[in-house]
Amino acid sequence: GAVVSQHPSWVICKSGTSVKIECRSLDFQATTMFWYRQFPKQSLMLMATSNEGSKATYEQGVEKDKFLINHASLTLSTLTVTSAHPEDSSFYICSALIPGTEGNTIYFGEGSWLTVV
Amino acid sequence: AQTVTQSQPEMSVQEAETVTLSCTYDTSESDYYLFWYKQPPSRQMILVIRQEAYKQQNATENRFSVNFQKAAKSFSLKISDSQLGDAAMYFCAYRSASRGAQKLVFGQGTRLTINP
Repeated sequence: GAVVSQHPSWVICKSGTSVKIECRSLDFQATTMFWYRQFPKQSLMLMATSNEGSKATYEQGVEKDKFLINHASLTLSTLTVTSAHPEDSSFYICSALIPGTEGNTIYFGEGSWLTVV
Repeated sequence: AQTVTQSQPEMSVQEAETVTLSCTYDTSESDYYLFWYKQPPSRQMILVIRQEAYKQQNATENRFSVNFQKAAKSFSLKISDSQLGDAAMYFCAYRSASRGAQKLVFGQGTRLTINP
């Protein structure tokens, strides 16, 4: 069964509005979660690393004020795309590090398609 | 910084045949993990196989096995008895074993097509 759940799977929003994507770890506590963006036919681009109870660490070139990441609990991290524009349309995917597993395995959510119109 | 390179953008294989996907990486670290992830059309990332750098024995998972060459920094994936359900994008990934350096570094991906 799913280890990491992401919601919503699909979302359409109007340009200028904000949209929130949730990433939940199921049946385990995830102290670290990761947010990626994937452009068509490309690899995953890490946007930020989210640690529970602290500020997210953003990768170079990722706008912190535009992509707000909150990791308020051990089972939930959220990505909020603020003042969305059509160029923000993309596939966003989260992952969670499962502590205690050999190699601290990382599992991925199902991903979220964002379309900004 | 670590880098991962997949030099084969696309590969195809006949059903039931064997195919090998290539991956090389660059790192100055001695302790790390290597992964192969599968991304089918649903876009769900699925862990296929994992290799710890300190282990000399190549990892295997049913029809999937790796050829880990640490000195050559090579980590290829062999899929035996290919099935139609194996068609997907395959990503090779590296992760440091150092505390605080938990992020995955991905290669560009290889699109695998299975011909019936």
